[in-house]
Amino acid sequence: AQKITQTQPGMFVQEKEAVTLDCTYDTSDQSYGLFWYKQPSSGEMIFLIYQGSYDEQNATEGRYSLNFQKARKSANLVISASQLGDSAMYFCAMRVRPGAGSYQLTFGKGTKLSVIP
Amino acid sequence: NAGVMQNPRHLVRRRGQEARLRCSPMKGHSHVYWYRQLPEEGLKFMVYLQKENIIDESGMPKERFSAEFPKEGPSILRIQQVVRGDSAAYFCASSPRSGDGQETQYFGPGTRLLVL
Repeated sequence: AQKITQTQPGMFVQEKEAVTLDCTYDTSDQSYGLFWYKQPSSGEMIFLIYQGSYDEQNATEGRYSLNFQKARKSANLVISASQLGDSAMYFCAMRVRPGAGSYQLTFGKGTKLSVIP
Repeated sequence: NAGVMQNPRHLVRRRGQEARLRCSPMKGHSHVYWYRQLPEEGLKFMVYLQKENIIDESGMPKERFSAEFPKEGPSILRIQQVVRGDSAAYFCASSPRSGDGQETQYFGPGTRLLVL
């Protein structure tokens, strides 16, 4: 069974500072994908970044980067230069390999990030 | 470039009534997923559909819940005889036809169901 663990229920960061949100995963599959989504207070789910298990380089998307450490099964999200608009819930999710018949995502419980002015 | 559309955004039902939640995937996307989010929780997978086919319904409750994705029109998640425990946010996500191995799922704004 696949499992995502986010150990930080809440985090605070000063505006303009960088912050790391932790995510560890558990799967026996060799091929999988890792995702981060942002959920602001308005409730929608916004895709941020993706990392494939075979990707050799860490994914980056603007101020977001994914610190992928395969041996440790961790996929931490790094947000650089935090902005007030970054205050939200952040969810880590994993998709196991296609061919298993389903592309469903397994989500962690989330981390609530609060950016302090 | 419309995203995933869901309606209604908010739905109030009394116990025993039926709830119908609709989802129109992004243009060009043929895979639809439904997830449920209980308060203070992450999203939980319910069902995965392609046009006219249910591919994986392993996350669907055995009774009262059904889903469809017809050839024409939106995907529908139907909950019959709702109970208070069905109160949650229901999200639809879509992804393009697979091929590049990424299959990023893009989410709609969700439907907040409240059962009185």
